[in-house]
Amino acid sequence: DAGVTQSPTHLIKTRGQQVTLRCSPKSGHDTVSWYQQALGQGPQFIFQYYEEEERQRGNFPDRFSGHQFPNYSSELNVNALLLGDSALYLCASSLIGAQKGYTFGSGTRLTVV
Amino acid sequence: AQKITQTQPGMFVQEKEAVTLDCTYDTSDPSYGLFWYKQPSSGEMIFLIYQGSYDQQNATEGRYSLNFQKARKSANLVISASQLGDSAMYFCAMRESPGRGTYKYIFGTGTRLKVLA
Repeated sequence: DAGVTQSPTHLIKTRGQQVTLRCSPKSGHDTVSWYQQALGQGPQFIFQYYEEEERQRGNFPDRFSGHQFPNYSSELNVNALLLGDSALYLCASSLIGAQKGYTFGSGTRLTVV
Repeated sequence: AQKITQTQPGMFVQEKEAVTLDCTYDTSDPSYGLFWYKQPSSGEMIFLIYQGSYDQQNATEGRYSLNFQKARKSANLVISASQLGDSAMYFCAMRESPGRGTYKYIFGTGTRLKVLA
């Protein structure tokens, strides 16, 4: 039973560029959440997708956008990259309404230079 | 606003001994959930243990137990018989329910645990 798969694992981008990160949820899960984890910090909630709609959003600027596809996989897009966007981006999947049982991926480590 | 506080940036423990990692939380919701995750250097967040706010018993999962003191708003993780493989970052998290059947997690800043041989 495959868990949450994220790609790529590492990425280096230049300031001002755009980046797309991808996530395939655990089999049977229908909800995908994205978190940003800066170095030495805990993860911060970016947004959550269910039924191809953004259901909840954290305190992140509009440069951060996402998408969920009919097969429940998801993308996170970041435009106009800043040095401060350098972080580990974690994807977590779950079933809608489930009170526990987030499954996290291993993350994409983004470095902006 | 909901908040999770972990006041121990780093901890050391001798192999085979027990260790307690502290977590306090703040919420006005009567229904909430508390979690502990382990994050090794690979980056993946590994679920360890869950405690619901209405659970009467403290949660246990193998060598992990959660010391839940609701009145004090604390949810400390106890790891018994520490192993070298327990060396990692540990995060306490709380489930927040913004509505629409969805949940998001609020994380603390973590505690780095080092197990000594």
